[in-house]
Formats: sequence, C-alpha cells, structure tokens
Amino acid sequence: ETGVTQTPRHLVMGMTNKKSLKCEQHLGHNAMYWYKQSAKKPLELMFVYSLEERVENNSVPSRFSPECPNSSHLFLHLHTLQPEDSALYLCASSQDGGGTGTDTQYFGPGTRLTVL
Amino acid sequence: QKEVEQNSGPLSVPEGAIASLNCTYSDRGSQSFFWYRQYSGKSPELIMFIYSNGDKEDGRFTAQLNKASQYVSLLIRDSQPSDSATYLCAVGRAGGYNKLIFGAGTRLAVHP
Repeated sequence: ETGVTQTPRHLVMGMTNKKSLKCEQHLGHNAMYWYKQSAKKPLELMFVYSLEERVENNSVPSRFSPECPNSSHLFLHLHTLQPEDSALYLCASSQDGGGTGTDTQYFGPGTRLTVL
Repeated sequence: QKEVEQNSGPLSVPEGAIASLNCTYSDRGSQSFFWYRQYSGKSPELIMFIYSNGDKEDGRFTAQLNKASQYVSLLIRDSQPSDSATYLCAVGRAGGYNKLIFGAGTRLAVHP
C-alpha cells in the first residue's frame, strides 16, 4: 500500500451517465495528480493540483472535470464520456509539487473505467 | 521524437541473469529520473530514483544516469520470475510544478 487510495476500483458506465472517481492520500502530501493509462500508450498526465490549486490542465476534454476540496482528496467527475475514454485512471500524490524537479510521485491502485 | 523512449520489449532473460533496461530522453533540462515497476492490471510502483550522473544501487537494482548522453538505465541483478513486469522510465524537470514525462515502458519476462 502506498498510502493513496482510489474508489471505485472498477466502473462501467454508459455514455449518458455521470459518475465520479475519488482519490484520497494519507501521506500528508501537498500535490495530487490524475493520469490516464490506455493500452500500449504512455501514462498521460491529465490534471495537477498543488495546495488545492489547479496548476495543469493538459488539454483534457471538458467531459472530465476535476475537483480538489483539500490537499488529501481529489475527485474526477465524468459526464457524457466516449468509448475511447475507457482506460485505467490513476491518481498520484507527491510531497510538494513545487517544481524542484526531484519530487517523487506515489500512485494509487487506479480505477478501471469501461464506457459502453 | 518522443520525449522519453524505451524499447517496448519483451526483454526475456533467464532466472539469475542480469536484466538491463534502457531509457533515453530528449529534454536536456531534465533533472530527475525515476523507475517504476507495473505488474499487469496494477498501478506503477516506485523502484528508485536518481538525480546525479553515475550509479545508484538499492539491493538488486542499480540505476545508471548519463546526462551528457541523455540516457538512464536500470540493472536488475539475480533476476527472478517475480521481476516479470513492465518497467516505466519517468523524467522530471524543475520549474513550475513537478511534471513527469513517462515512457511507454519495457516489458520484462524472467523465465525459470
């Protein structure tokens, strides 16, 4: 266990559904991240929050909406997704995210999302 | 050119041998280098990181960094079947926030 938890672990949803992914870190970190991992492709950074402020939105479609109410919790709200959005969604956290370039990210177990 | 390149493999090695995994990166401003292991269906797990040129050892793992050649490698000594996984190289740079660029990973298969 890395101290980063994600729920649900598996999610199947239709294209008209609205659902949310939850991430919680118990490490006292100040930065949290959402990544998408599709088959045979590198991890794609989606969003970064540092001290609850969004510092990166990596050209992610608006059907993905992040929320970071405090430094321990991160949500990804999903609506009107497409089948190509099916992937493993990973949450990560790091100590400061402050751009030192040496901050280590720890990953949660991921949510396997299938969009029908 | 991809920002972080890895041979996709599979790299097949016999049990007990040394597995050598390689990674090249394009951004000369990169300052931190990470190796993650990912088992099938699981999330990435940090193995080790390296910031300075040279070698860094941790148990059976050795990371090697050559910034002049923009090359980082991971050696696994006495490879075990349990080491069979995909190994992800990630590169970070200073400034703004801690953004990591990941390679697509190299699949390692250790056979008995």
